[in-house]
Amino acid sequence: AQTVTQSQPEMSVQEAETVTLSCTYDTSESNYYLFWYKQPPSRQMILVIRQEAYKQQNATENRFSVNFQKAAKSFSLKISDSQLGDTAMYFCAFMKSFGNEKLTFGTGTRLTIIP
Amino acid sequence: DTGVSQNPRHKITKRGQNVTFRCDPISEHNRLYWYRQTLGQGPEFLTYFQNEAQLEKSRLLSDRFSAERPKGSFSTLEIQRTEQGDSAMYLCASSFRQGGSGELFFGEGSRLTVL
Repeated sequence: AQTVTQSQPEMSVQEAETVTLSCTYDTSESNYYLFWYKQPPSRQMILVIRQEAYKQQNATENRFSVNFQKAAKSFSLKISDSQLGDTAMYFCAFMKSFGNEKLTFGTGTRLTIIP
Repeated sequence: DTGVSQNPRHKITKRGQNVTFRCDPISEHNRLYWYRQTLGQGPEFLTYFQNEAQLEKSRLLSDRFSAERPKGSFSTLEIQRTEQGDSAMYLCASSFRQGGSGELFFGEGSRLTVL
């Protein structure tokens, strides 16, 4: 079974600053996907960024990037030039590559961007 | 298509009553998932369908819970004889499996409060 751990329940940062959210996971699988999902207050969860484990290059989506360390089973999310709209719960999630697209989530980090 | 739709958004019920939630996925998506999210936790997998077939159920899904997806379109999640521990947000997600990882698209959830 897979486990995902997010050790930062809450974080806050000033607008325009950079923030890094941490995530570690445990699995015996060699091929898998990792995700960061964002859940704004009272809104649906949306995908922020995805990383395939077989790719060495870290994924990047505009202001969002990851630091994927496969050997350390670490998958952190960096948000650059943070904006007020980034305020949300952020969930790290794991998915096996082969089989159903069942996600295993961490407990989340509540991020607040301070104006 | 406006995304994954869930109804009702909020449901307050007395212990022992039955409740039913409905999920309308994105129309071309063949996979549909139900998750449960309690306060301070990440979503937990309950069950998923590929078309009309229910392919996996979590041990979290007691015999009081039943899910259906007739004709592979919308899905319903029924909870019989509700208990206070059933209070949670019930999230529906859909995806189109096309080899590899299909991104999950989430609805806004149905919040259940059992008094």
